[in-house]
Amino acid sequence: NAGVMQNPRHLVRRRGQEARLRCSPMKGHSHVYWYRQLPEEGLKFMVYLQKENIIDESGMPKERFSAEFPKEGPSILRIQQVVRGDSAAYFCASHEGTGPYEQYFGPGTRLTVT
Amino acid sequence: DQQVKQNSPSLSVQEGRISILNCDYTNSMFDYFLWYKKYPAEGPTFLISISSIKDKNEDGRFTVFLNKSAKHLSLHIVPSQPGDSAVYFCAAPMNRDDKIIFGKGTRLHILP
Repeated sequence: NAGVMQNPRHLVRRRGQEARLRCSPMKGHSHVYWYRQLPEEGLKFMVYLQKENIIDESGMPKERFSAEFPKEGPSILRIQQVVRGDSAAYFCASHEGTGPYEQYFGPGTRLTVT
Repeated sequence: DQQVKQNSPSLSVQEGRISILNCDYTNSMFDYFLWYKKYPAEGPTFLISISSIKDKNEDGRFTVFLNKSAKHLSLHIVPSQPGDSAVYFCAAPMNRDDKIIFGKGTRLHILP
C-alpha cells in the first residue's frame, strides 16, 4: 500500500545543468500534481497532469520547465538550465480523480542549485 | 493575490491546552477546505476537511470551524500534544480534481 513516491529526495545541480524530478502516484491514482515550496512560503501549484495529458500548466514558468506523465512510468518534472532561484522543495501529489477532494503528497525533492 | 491567508506565521501553545489556527479566504467560489500538517523534510499530510455546507467538522482532537459570512475558518486542536508541533497549511481546492490553493502556513510549537 505504497504512498506517493518521489526521487531523488535531494538533488544538487550547478547553474546551467538540468534537473529531473520523478514522481510515482499512489496505486490507482491517475491524476498527478506538482507543487513548489520556496523558503518561508506555502506550496504553489505548478502543473496538473493525467496520463499522457497536461490538464493545467498555469503555474509553470514559461521557460525552462516542462512536465510529463507518460502512459508507462513515473511523472517527470524537468528543469533545464537551472538557476539559483530554482532552489526549492518540489512536491508531487496524486488524486484518484473522483471521491474526496484531498490530494496525497510525496515526501518531496529538495533541489539545491549551486 | 493570495486567495487563502494565514496571518500568523507561528504560534506557541502549552502542552494540554487548546491550539487555534486561523485562516481567511477571499474566493467565494471555494466550497471545500482542507488542513494539512507538515513536518520538516516530509510532504504535507492531510489532516481534516470541511465542506462549505457545514460549519463544523470534528475528528478526534481536531475540529475545524467554518464561518462562510466572514470567509474564515479555524482549526482547533485539543488537548495539544508534543507531536502536534509542525507547520499547518490551510488550503482550498479549486474543484474536486483540480489544483489546491495553499496558505503560507502557521508553525505551531507545543511547549512542555
